[in-house]
Amino acid sequence: KAGVTQTPRYLIKTRGQQVTLSCSPISGHRSVSWYQQTPGQGLQFLFEYFSETQRNKGNFPGRFSGRQFSNSRSEMNVSTLELGDSALYLCASSLAPYGELFFGEGSRLTVL
Amino acid sequence: DAKTTQPNSMESNEEEPVHLPCNHSTISGTDYIHWYRQLPSQGPEYVIHGLTSNVNNRMASLAIAEDRKSSTLILHRATLRDAAVYYCILRDSQGGSEKLVFGKGTKLTVNP
Repeated sequence: KAGVTQTPRYLIKTRGQQVTLSCSPISGHRSVSWYQQTPGQGLQFLFEYFSETQRNKGNFPGRFSGRQFSNSRSEMNVSTLELGDSALYLCASSLAPYGELFFGEGSRLTVL
Repeated sequence: DAKTTQPNSMESNEEEPVHLPCNHSTISGTDYIHWYRQLPSQGPEYVIHGLTSNVNNRMASLAIAEDRKSSTLILHRATLRDAAVYYCILRDSQGGSEKLVFGKGTKLTVNP
């Protein structure tokens, strides 16, 4: 059974650019959530989706957005990149609410 | 903010038991206690969770204090592969959210 797949695994952008990250959940999982991990702030919740609806959002500026498609795949977008957006972005999926979360290996974004 | 308190780091020797403590004095009656771990260069991985009774699975055991204000994750025989950051997290079963609030976690070092 394939795990959570995130693409791309690594990317480098410059300030002011925008980036889109993709997450394919485990087959059958309808809930997808996103986290940002930095050395200073640790793991922080970004947002979560269930059946194409955003159910919750963390304390991040509006430059961070996401969506979920009918096949449960999800994307997150960060516009007008800042140096502080350099981080590991992790996606997690679960079969049902409150169930075990399965994380992908993350997309490591470097902003120069 | 994270509602749990864990030691920053712990050390163990290979094949010895490890007891990782977690304090959660403000836990509510509907909060489940979850443990995840993050191995180097990987996303977090579910370990175990419980509500009131002690729990066992193939990876670990979870001992929950009678007043539920603290818990202990027990690795019965530590291996080098258990070296990771361990996160103790409270999840509100009635919160309607997949959001996990990660603290700093405990970095476990396993010595050969």
